[in-house]
Amino acid sequence: SAVISQKPSRDICQRGTSLTIQCQVDSQVTMMFWYRQQPGQSLTLIATANQGSEATYESGFVIDKFPISRPNLTFSTLTVSNMSPEDSSIYLCSATGTEYGYTFGSGTRLTVV
Amino acid sequence: SQKIEQNSEALNIQEGKTATLTCNYTNYSPAYLQWYRQDPGRGPVFLLLIRENEKEKRKERLKVTFDTTLKQSLFHITASQPADSATYLCALAESSASKIIFGSGTRLSIRP
Repeated sequence: SAVISQKPSRDICQRGTSLTIQCQVDSQVTMMFWYRQQPGQSLTLIATANQGSEATYESGFVIDKFPISRPNLTFSTLTVSNMSPEDSSIYLCSATGTEYGYTFGSGTRLTVV
Repeated sequence: SQKIEQNSEALNIQEGKTATLTCNYTNYSPAYLQWYRQDPGRGPVFLLLIRENEKEKRKERLKVTFDTTLKQSLFHITASQPADSATYLCALAESSASKIIFGSGTRLSIRP
């Protein structure tokens, strides 16, 4: 199955600033996704990163706040824009597999102060 | 509305016993269901996938059942070990090319 490198692993950011999270997959994958995980809770899907077209966002998430890029089949970025303390969370990217399920990055722990 | 529920926020069992975790869903027609393990500070790790036309699947000490009539999956760990302590997540996908949606997770603790 694919291996995903996600960075940064953690960051502390000032409110009002933006952070871009990167995910690099070691093989071409059809679909990539971005999730958010609040402390002690399950994963919430933010959006599907589509190669060559705009991302597909889930209810409650908008492009202006979480712009996503997917320039090729191995790379994607998620930007958390104009951050507030409510954006403090763990952000995870994932990529599709078949019999091997979905592979996840190790996550980015974001703290907004 | 669509919902995925995993019974028992936390489950504590004795080493050597079988741990059984439940995943119930409503207003979904999943093509397949997956189970993941997540350790603190790490991303989920895929364990097993079961398709809608499969009743049961096994992998070493793990067994998953899938009942599309009851809209339920059961995840069993036999001969449990303290190293099995983690949070276990079920996830549904409505097709092989679609996003997956996660349940709330069950935190499993195996005591020696």
